[in-house]
Amino acid sequence: EDKVVQSPLSLVVHEGDTVTLNCSYEVTNFRSLLWYKQEKKAPTFLFMLTSSGIEKKSGRLSSILDKKELFSILNITATQTGDSAVYLCAVFNSGGSNYKLTFGKGTLLTVNP
Amino acid sequence: GAVVSQHPSWVICKSGTSVKIECRSLDFQATTMFWYRQFPKQSLMLMATSNEGSKATYEQGVEKDKFLINHASLTLSTLTVTSAHPEDSSFYICSARTSGKYEQYFGPGTRLTVT
Repeated sequence: EDKVVQSPLSLVVHEGDTVTLNCSYEVTNFRSLLWYKQEKKAPTFLFMLTSSGIEKKSGRLSSILDKKELFSILNITATQTGDSAVYLCAVFNSGGSNYKLTFGKGTLLTVNP
Repeated sequence: GAVVSQHPSWVICKSGTSVKIECRSLDFQATTMFWYRQFPKQSLMLMATSNEGSKATYEQGVEKDKFLINHASLTLSTLTVTSAHPEDSSFYICSARTSGKYEQYFGPGTRLTVT
């Protein structure tokens, strides 16, 4: 069974702190790993990672994938209250003729002023 | 680019009635659309995958006769919850991808409340 495990499940920090969110996976026919940010509505896309060791960066957020150890991390530096959200990790894999996205349970990040 | 819309964003219906939710890709061709359900404080659970012009593939435990999915065009998929019950109340989210690409873009979701 395909599995995506995120840790920690929740995290409370103060503005300005740096956080690291973890995602490990066990899936067949791995294609890519995606990070999403979910506030009140549907998830918004952050990053897609397909190659090991290549950091993707967008402002204060960055992410990297290790395909040998089967995990990814999402870093947020200088956190702001607007970063408070659930961060979802999902792995895109193929099975038969279909591709599907398997989600982790998410990490609830709360950034206090 | 890559915008997905859903309609309605919020619906209340009576037990026993049917509700249709639309999912549209606005600026790309969605060869595959996915329907998810999310209960409060839980992650997204995939309900079904549909490829344009084909029958949807349902995940284990999802009743295909209750959750009817139609993906008749490259920009529109619909999910019909038939004979809705209060336990069907949830947040339903669609997403779409185009052939050859792995990114998946999500609609804003539809909150269904069955009374």
